[in-house]
Amino acid sequence: DVKVTQSSRYLVKRTGEKVFLECVQDMDHENMFWYRQDPGLGLRLIYFSYDVKMKEKGDIPEGYSVSREKKERFSLILESASTNQTSMYLCASSHQGHSGQPQHFGDGTRLSIL
Amino acid sequence: AQSVTQPDIHITVSEGASLELRCNYSYGATPYLFWYVQSPGQGLQLLLKYFSGDTLVQGIKGFEAEFKRSQSSFNLRKPSVHWSDAAEYFCAVGQGSAGFQKLVFGTGTRLLVSP
Repeated sequence: DVKVTQSSRYLVKRTGEKVFLECVQDMDHENMFWYRQDPGLGLRLIYFSYDVKMKEKGDIPEGYSVSREKKERFSLILESASTNQTSMYLCASSHQGHSGQPQHFGDGTRLSIL
Repeated sequence: AQSVTQPDIHITVSEGASLELRCNYSYGATPYLFWYVQSPGQGLQLLLKYFSGDTLVQGIKGFEAEFKRSQSSFNLRKPSVHWSDAAEYFCAVGQGSAGFQKLVFGTGTRLLVSP
């Protein structure tokens, strides 16, 4: 089975801090994704990557950056955390093959910014 | 742009009763469609997917979904609901070129199961 591991289940940080959320997948997937999930809004794509050192903006990239130095690891960075970034963050990965490859998700990180 | 609508925010079903969760999509070509389930405090788990071919798709945990192009719908069904099915369900459509796709998600439907 595909395993997507997010480093923290719960995280509490202060306004203005630099925050790192880490995600590792063990299935040699080319594509990786970061979403945030908020009640009533579903999942919204922040950033994605289809190769090492490659990144693309999703629908809501403002206030975030990402890093993909190794194929298995995709990090989400909040440069200066703000209270409106309190949310559940989900990482996903998928294989680049025929169209319609499903995404596999980690268990999420619930981030609170105080 | 592609979009997905799940018109029901909450649904309550009695244990043992049948279930249908609605999903409508907006997409110009043949869509790639997915249903995911999220249990409390967990990530999303894939229930089933549709690419082409038979419009009735079987998934895990006894779920099935039917693709109806004329109605732009991909509704999820289960003949007999179990208490463990209480969770949030997300419909998604894949967008992008072959080999790489992003997913556009609906806002989810929370299923409550009553005894």
